[in-house]
Amino acid sequence: EDQVTQSPEALRLQEGESSSLNCSYTVSGLRGLFWYRQDPGKGPEFLFTLYSAGEEKEKERLKATLTKKESFLHITAPKPEDSATYLCAVQARNYGQNFVFGPGTRLSVLP
Amino acid sequence: SQTIHQWPATLVQPVGSPLSLECTVEGTSNPNLYWYRQAAGRGLQLLFYSVGIGQISSEVPQNLSASRPQDRQFILSSKKLLLSDSGFYLCAWSVLRQTLLGANVLTFGAGSRLTVL
Repeated sequence: EDQVTQSPEALRLQEGESSSLNCSYTVSGLRGLFWYRQDPGKGPEFLFTLYSAGEEKEKERLKATLTKKESFLHITAPKPEDSATYLCAVQARNYGQNFVFGPGTRLSVLP
Repeated sequence: SQTIHQWPATLVQPVGSPLSLECTVEGTSNPNLYWYRQAAGRGLQLLFYSVGIGQISSEVPQNLSASRPQDRQFILSSKKLLLSDSGFYLCAWSVLRQTLLGANVLTFGAGSRLTVL
């Protein structure tokens, strides 16, 4: 069965303490893996798309990487404003136009 | 540039009352349109998606329905709300045509918070 899981469920970091979030997927024919940031009470905001194993993308303190079975979102020297829920989603050939989302990781960065 | 509008932002409704949430997209044509629901502390659940006017696919059987009366308008409805319909509803769009690399970015609206009492 195709699925997307994320770990940890919640993560508390001190400001400046780097860490990584994990997104594991079991789908056939991956077309793309997406990372989103969601602030409380708002819609998810697009961060990255990764298309193939070995690909990496960076944006400010965030870096996303992709392997054949999982993706990592590395957060370097986080700041309190990085606190949010981070969602990953996949689009696969047998999903047509659909996306499957993981449950998210709730990140809190303490000053 | 493309923008997506979703309203109302918040809604408090009694059990058994009707529901209508609206979503419109500007700056693009023939988008794929989606309705997701997000329960407290849980992931996004796909409810409906549409690849064209009048074309609606339902992912989860429930007392909700969706309609697409115009190319860039997507409406989520219910005739009689249940307590379990409470949640955060998100409209989203993506381009219909595949990119060269085969995946489309999904762009979300700001969401509608529904509380059923």
